Amino acid sequence: QKEVEQDPGPLSVPEGAIVSLNCTYSNSAFQYFMWYRQYSRKGPELLMYTYSSGNKEDGRFTAQVDKSSKYISLFIRDSQPSDSATYLCAMSAANQAGTALIFGKGTTLSVSS
Amino acid sequence: SQTIHQWPATLVQPVGSPLSLECTVEGTSNPNLYWYRQAAGRGLQLLFYSVGIGQISSEVPQNLSASRPQDRQFILSSKKLLLSDSGFYLCAWAGPSNQPQHFGDGTRLSIL
Repeated sequence: QKEVEQDPGPLSVPEGAIVSLNCTYSNSAFQYFMWYRQYSRKGPELLMYTYSSGNKEDGRFTAQVDKSSKYISLFIRDSQPSDSATYLCAMSAANQAGTALIFGKGTTLSVSS
Repeated sequence: SQTIHQWPATLVQPVGSPLSLECTVEGTSNPNLYWYRQAAGRGLQLLFYSVGIGQISSEVPQNLSASRPQDRQFILSSKKLLLSDSGFYLCAWAGPSNQPQHFGDGTRLSIL
């Protein structure tokens, strides 16, 4: 079983839809959870950062962490064509220097106008 | 605010040639610095990290090396490139708490 599983998609939705992106993981030691957005030929851009379980909201984006189920989600409300990108989940067990982020392979999202 | 720069954006090199990719960070001091490689369909893989000048740790044995000659400068090098070195190379930085990590726009390296 891979450490982090993420459905690669592609996921196609109409403008204005609510998008749900998910990752599952196997390492119960993960405590730090991130979502990155990556446009084509660009580096990953940090969208959301959460520690341990719970919800975090930032504008149209909501991140949820359920450590009991080893499941994290990113919700995008009122999706826009500019949200079309690849979304990567990432997680880490510790915050010591040199701790690598473990990434999912990314979900490609396309929002049509 | 902090910014991270990588160059060049795109590079095409012949097999056996040397490599030098540079990453610089502005707006912060003593960052933790990272080199990742992103291969199609394989996610991001950590190659090297550095917690200070001259301090380099390697995560994966390979044909590459890294150096940190200045506090906010991180260089990825190779003496002789292999076809398997092709990929998208990303530099990242983090603050003292080490989370989260912030990425540059990467260098797309093609080996011919």
